[in-house]
Amino acid sequence: AQTVTQSQPEMSVQEAETVTLSCTYDTSENNYYLFWYKQPPSRQMILVIRQEAYKQQNATENRFSVNFQKAAKSFSLKISDSQLGDTAMYFCAFHFGNEKLTFGTGTRLTIIP
Amino acid sequence: DTAVSQTPKYLVTQMGNDKSIKCEQNLGHDTMYWYKQDSKKFLKIMFSYNNKELIINETVPNRFSPKSPDKAHLNLHINSLELGDSAVYFCASSPQDSGFYEQYFGPGTRLTVT
Repeated sequence: AQTVTQSQPEMSVQEAETVTLSCTYDTSENNYYLFWYKQPPSRQMILVIRQEAYKQQNATENRFSVNFQKAAKSFSLKISDSQLGDTAMYFCAFHFGNEKLTFGTGTRLTIIP
Repeated sequence: DTAVSQTPKYLVTQMGNDKSIKCEQNLGHDTMYWYKQDSKKFLKIMFSYNNKELIINETVPNRFSPKSPDKAHLNLHINSLELGDSAVYFCASSPQDSGFYEQYFGPGTRLTVT
């Protein structure tokens, strides 16, 4: 079974700073997908970024980028120029084939004005 | 033009009651899911349906029964509600034939059992 670990329950940074959220996972599969989801206080789950395991290039979406280290089974999320609207719970998730999406326990990120 | 909708958004009920949460997606997706998010924010899959067929059924009490009348709807019925059922329940859908299996979530239903 796949497992996803987020070792930082809470983080806070000043507005405009850069922050990195860590995620590690355990799998014996080779082709899979990784996601970061954001859950703001409104509780809506919003997809932030996704990565296919067969792609070596790290995914980037505007201020959000990932550092995907397949051999180390690491998938960290970097948020640049952080904004107050980035305050949310962030969940790392793993998906393989027809199986379920497995979520980490989340990191609560607070952006301080 | 909501992609994945759930009703109701809030549900407060007493122990022992039976309640249903409805989910609808207008994205034309083949697969729908129910997740439970507990008070510590942990998200766990409960069920998954593909074209009205059950494909994932995690260890969930028999009191929980999903029903999919068509591939755009996946409702969750809960019998004999217990205090421990209090949580936020999310419905999601995904295009199974895509390469990404990206899931689109509904707004969640906060269930409070008193």
